[in-house]
Amino acid sequence: DIVMTQSPDSLAVSLGERATINCKSSQSVLYSSTNKNALTWYQQKPGQPPKLLIYWASTRESGVPDRFSGSGSGTDFTLTISSLQAEDVAVYYCQQYYSFPLTFGQGTKVEVK
Amino acid sequence: EVQLVESGGGLVEPGGSLRLSCAASGLTFSSASMAWVRQAPGKGLEWVGRIKRTTDGGTTEYAAPVKGRFTISRDDSKNTVYLQMNSLKTEDTAVYYCTKYSGYSDCWGQGTLVTVSS
Repeated sequence: DIVMTQSPDSLAVSLGERATINCKSSQSVLYSSTNKNALTWYQQKPGQPPKLLIYWASTRESGVPDRFSGSGSGTDFTLTISSLQAEDVAVYYCQQYYSFPLTFGQGTKVEVK
Repeated sequence: EVQLVESGGGLVEPGGSLRLSCAASGLTFSSASMAWVRQAPGKGLEWVGRIKRTTDGGTTEYAAPVKGRFTISRDDSKNTVYLQMNSLKTEDTAVYYCTKYSGYSDCWGQGTLVTVSS
C-alpha cells in the first residue's frame, strides 16, 4: 500500500497570510504515460463531509477559490492557501488514486492564529 | 446538481450485519462509478471500496480491513449503490460516506453513522 504522510499535523496562520501543507507518498504516483500525478486534496470543515479542492495534483475543482493551489510531482506535493480566510479553517487531506487501495494522509488542521 | 443521500446506518452488535444505501440524483447514475469512504469518530478518512459503472463491468475493489466482509453493489434502475456489511466489528464504527468516483471523489453525501457496540 502507498503510505501518505502529511506535514505538519496542524498549523495556525494569521488571516491574509500563506498556509502551506505538505504531502509525501511512499512511492511515486506519477503516471508516466500521461505525465499526470494521481493526487488529490480535500477540505473538511467541522460537521461536514469532505469537499474536493484539487485533483491531478494541481487542477482546481470548479468553484474553488484561486487562493487554493496544488503543486508537486512524483512523491512530494504541496497545497498552498495564498491568503488565509476565516472560512478556510478546516482539516485538509491528501489522497493518492494511483493504485488500490486508495489511501489518505492523516490530515492537517488549519486554524487562525 | 448531484446529490447523494445515504441511509441505513444505526446501532448494531458485533458480528451483526447492516446494509447502507446511497440514492443518487442529478447525474446519469449508470455512467458513474461510485465509492464508499468512512471516518471513525474524531479520526481521518479511510477508503472502503468502489464499484465501477455497469458498462465497465461493475467490478469492485475493497480495502483490506473490509475485504471478504463488505460488498458493494448497485441498482442502476433505482440510481442506488449499496454497502452490505457483515461480520461487523467495533472498529467498523464510523460515518460512512457515499461518493461519486472518478479516481478521486468529486461529490460526497452527508454520511450515515454506523455504531458497532454491544
